[in-house]
Amino acid sequence: AQSVTQLGSHVSVSEGALVLLRCNYSSSVPPYLFWYVQYPNQGLQLLLKYTTGATLVKGINGFEAEFKKSETSFHLTKPSAHMSDAAEYFCAVSAVDSSYKLIFGSGTRLLVRP
Amino acid sequence: GAGVSQTPSNKVTEKGKYVELRCDPISGHTALYWYRQSLGQGPEFLIYFQGTGAADDSGLPNDRFFAVRPEGSVSTLKIQRTERGDSAVYLCASSLGAGGFTDTQYFGPGTRLTVL
Repeated sequence: AQSVTQLGSHVSVSEGALVLLRCNYSSSVPPYLFWYVQYPNQGLQLLLKYTTGATLVKGINGFEAEFKKSETSFHLTKPSAHMSDAAEYFCAVSAVDSSYKLIFGSGTRLLVRP
Repeated sequence: GAGVSQTPSNKVTEKGKYVELRCDPISGHTALYWYRQSLGQGPEFLIYFQGTGAADDSGLPNDRFFAVRPEGSVSTLKIQRTERGDSAVYLCASSLGAGGFTDTQYFGPGTRLTVL
């Protein structure tokens, strides 16, 4: 079975500061890992995903995440926060043998202070 | 092009009533998914369609929930005898259906269901 834990339901950063959103997962089989962003009144949008190969994954809007198998982590980072990054971020995992079924964490709301 | 659309955007009903939630996937996407997002939680998988058939309905919470996709495009999620605990945002997603890691799910804006 797979599960996802996102540490911190709310993270607040200043504009221009580093963004770090934490995600840890558990999976009994090789996982696929995802980060989605949800803006108010909009659907979830895929930021990036890890499937195989290079463990550092670059996504849209300057975000990236690194898959660390030894730490079972897939933390999301961005060097410099913009006001437009304020949203809710969800980490998700799926299994190679049931890749259609996304298991989501409970989400982290990112607040960006001017 | 058009994304996934869901109607209605908001639905308020009374306990015990029947509701239908509609999802229009992206044209050409053969796979369709329903998720439920309760307040303060991440989306929770309900059901997955490949074409017209439900390939995995293991996430449906009980037999009051049912979903159909008769022509392999539009899908309807049906909830009978609604309960206050059914209040949530119901999300629909679609994908090309090729399977594997290339098959990205695209989400609609959701239907917010409130059961009074």
